[in-house]
Amino acid sequence: AQSVAQPEDQVNVAEGNPLTVKCTYSVSGNPYLFWYVQYPNRGLQFLLKYITGDNLVKGSYGFEAEFNKSQTSFHLKKPSALVSDSALYFCAVRDMTGSTGGFKTIFGAGTRLFVKA
Amino acid sequence: EAQVTQNPRYLITVTGKKLTVTCSQNMNHEYMSWYRQDPGLGLRQIYYSMNVEVTDKGDVPEGYKVSRKEKRNFPLILESPSPNQTSLYFCASSLSVAAPNTGELFFGEGSRLTVL
Repeated sequence: AQSVAQPEDQVNVAEGNPLTVKCTYSVSGNPYLFWYVQYPNRGLQFLLKYITGDNLVKGSYGFEAEFNKSQTSFHLKKPSALVSDSALYFCAVRDMTGSTGGFKTIFGAGTRLFVKA
Repeated sequence: EAQVTQNPRYLITVTGKKLTVTCSQNMNHEYMSWYRQDPGLGLRQIYYSMNVEVTDKGDVPEGYKVSRKEKRNFPLILESPSPNQTSLYFCASSLSVAAPNTGELFFGEGSRLTVL
């Protein structure tokens, strides 16, 4: 079965420093991987995705993620953190095993990012 | 404005009293889905729908029903709510399940449900 793990419940970083939020996955076949962000009292917003091609994908708000097939990882990164980046981040994988031929999106438990001024 | 709209945003109810959480999207998306978010568990999929009249169970469908009679609407029905269904619920949609769409989801603002 497809699964996603986010090993850190919380990541703390100082403003201006680089940040990394970790994600590992387990899938059969080629993975469709996503990152979403959730701000307080809001729904999730799509940040970026890896489908195929270049292992470094760029997304919204200056975020990027590196796909590493050998380590089955898809870590989210940003070169210089902002206080406004403080939020809950979810890694997700698309699972194509639905009985109607459709897909499910499986989410990790989430990592809370705190950026301190 | 493109959006997914859920109602109600907040609801307190009692055990056994049937309720419906509505979800509507104005983007002509084929795919719609319901999730529940619980602390430490992330988002878990309840049901999803590939298109009108096509629905399938997610990972936690027990105690829930859905219907997809129109493309834009995907209501979540709790026939007899129980306290373990107290949660934050999200509706989401995606353009389609066919290539080249890659399935990124658009989420509503969430519905916080408390069952006493």
